[in-house]
Parts: sequence; structure tokens; C-alpha cells
Amino acid sequence: KNQVEQSPQSLIILEGKNCTLQCNYTVSPFSNLRWYKQDTGRGPVSLTIMTFSENTKSNGRYTATLDADTKQSSLHITASQLSDSASYICVVSASENTGFQKLVFGTGTRLLVSP
Amino acid sequence: DTEVTQTPKHLVMGMTNKKSLKCEQHMGHRAMYWYKQKAKKPPELMFVYSYEKLSINESVPSRFSPECPNSSLLNLHLHALQPEDSALYLCASSQVLILGQPNEKLFFGSGTQLSVL
Repeated sequence: KNQVEQSPQSLIILEGKNCTLQCNYTVSPFSNLRWYKQDTGRGPVSLTIMTFSENTKSNGRYTATLDADTKQSSLHITASQLSDSASYICVVSASENTGFQKLVFGTGTRLLVSP
Repeated sequence: DTEVTQTPKHLVMGMTNKKSLKCEQHMGHRAMYWYKQKAKKPPELMFVYSYEKLSINESVPSRFSPECPNSSLLNLHLHALQPEDSALYLCASSQVLILGQPNEKLFFGSGTQLSVL
């Protein structure tokens, strides 16, 4: 069964600190892995997209890593800001027989950045 | 313009009402999606349209009826909903249906928060 698990479920950090969110997946065949940021009551916004051959991808203060061998990814947030408070969702793309790449969503990590 | 616009932002309806959710994008994307998201849960795929044709229906109850009038618009018609259908309904679009390439981003709208009384 295709699954994406994220940890921790929730996290509180002080403004200016760094943090790392984890994502483990059992999706096959793997196509790509995406990290999204979702504010409460809003749609997800794409942060990074990585394919099998990519190990690291950055987007400003966000850096995602991917280890396709261990099927793990992490999202590192540097120098956190209050506006980083949101849910961070790991999404893995799985190929189906029809050719459609179905997105398998993780349950997200809820991050609260405290002043 | 890299936006997916959804209206209304909030909707409250009774179980006997008929209402519609609307989604619009002007990025030239030919694939459009409806997702349902319950609180603190990941989005669940409902329907996928490719080139204005329904490509995927994830066994969604018939009280939800999608419509794609043209390549820029996607509607979701609601009729005789149940309280458990209350959720955030997200529309999304991508250049094409297959999302296998890293540059094939999926753009989400801000969603319609639906409450069924």
C-alpha cells in the first residue's frame, strides 16, 4: 500500500531557530517527491519538487533532501519566522498503470513558530 | 497569472439545498482537479479533468457532480449533501494530466470551506 508518513505531527519552535521535518514513504514506483506549505483554511503552496536523482533542493530558507534508497526525505527550515507557522505536507508521486501520476499525501507536520 | 481562483471562499448550506463551487485558472493548464480535505487530514482526490473531459472519478457519491465548461473553468455542483460532507474543497490545476516531471507543478486554489447543516 502506498503510504507517506511524516514526523513529528506537530512542532513548536522559537522564532529564529532552525528545524527539520521528516517524511518516510512506501510508494512504488516512485516518480517524484514534493513539499507543500499549507496555511490553515488555505490551499497548499509548492515549496520544492525532487526527482529520484536529486538529493537536495533549496527554496530560500527551505532546503529539502531526498534519500531514494532509504525512502526518506527531510525539510529543513532555517532562521524560522512567524510566517512559517503552517502545516508542511510531504507528497509523493506514484505511477499508476494508466500512466496517471497519483499524488500520495502525508498527514503533515503542524509547525508553530513562537515569538 | 499563476493563480487558481475559487469561489465562494465560504459556503453554508442545508441538506436540501443545491449549490455550486467554482474554480478558474488562466495559466493554460489542461488538467484540473477537485480535492476534499477534512480538518487535520491530507487532501483526498475526488475528480480529475483532462482537456475538459472527466478522466478520473475516485468513486465519489453522485451528490457531487463535476462540470468543466471550458479549459479555464471547473465547477462542482452539490445537491442533497450530508453533514459529513463538510470540508475544505480544493481545486488544483497542472499543465498536463501526467505529473511525472519535476517542472509539472500542481497549483492549488485557496479552497471553499463548506459547512452542511
